[in-house]
Amino acid sequence: GAGVSQSPSNKVTEKGKDVELRCDPISGHTALYWYRQRLGQGLEFLIYFQGNSAPDKSGLPSDRFSAERTGESVSTLTIQRTQQEDSAVYLCASSPRISGSSNEQFFGPGTRLTVL
Amino acid sequence: AQSVTQLGSHVSVSEGALVLLRCNYSSSVSVYLFWYVQYPNQGLQLLLKYLSGSTLVKSINGFEAEFNKSQTSFHLRKPSVHISDTAEYFCAVRPSGGYQKVTFGTGTKLQVIP
Repeated sequence: GAGVSQSPSNKVTEKGKDVELRCDPISGHTALYWYRQRLGQGLEFLIYFQGNSAPDKSGLPSDRFSAERTGESVSTLTIQRTQQEDSAVYLCASSPRISGSSNEQFFGPGTRLTVL
Repeated sequence: AQSVTQLGSHVSVSEGALVLLRCNYSSSVSVYLFWYVQYPNQGLQLLLKYLSGSTLVKSINGFEAEFNKSQTSFHLRKPSVHISDTAEYFCAVRPSGGYQKVTFGTGTKLQVIP
């Protein structure tokens, strides 16, 4: 595809349920980021994958949150036992690994998660 | 580690007025700097970036930002805003060496009033 895609675009779930959010980065992009954007607030970094290096998980807010990425392809963000405060738009971004590049990020359209 | 501070979460200006959105960063190493824009109901997209060279960088739609190393700032301005500039603007920074994480500010919502 031409850009970063995310699915689903909207997800409504009940408190306590688990959810999986998917991100398909641009082909060839080695770096992948997950962010959370709560209503009326800025971007909150969650996790960063760079190639085969160990991911930077420093932004994950609790052990209910986890993410995986297979190689340099699809990533899945999993939220277990969802809480109402997890309601937000979850954004994924990817960037290429090009020597000397600024590694500009390309963002997906986001997944709007609503926890009832 | 890096940090980014954007002063003013909301800014309202009249159409045709000058707007200045402030961004200050903290870093112990040299950095690349970015401004991203998020129009209503759309995804984030890169507006402009500073990598090296001229400290004044410009976008195609009239925005400009100036890197000031001594003041660790990268303020965004436009001399005459248009209603279509209504959006949320995010400042971001990443170390210039290697392949490292980007850190975003909390964003400034710009409302342009007719």
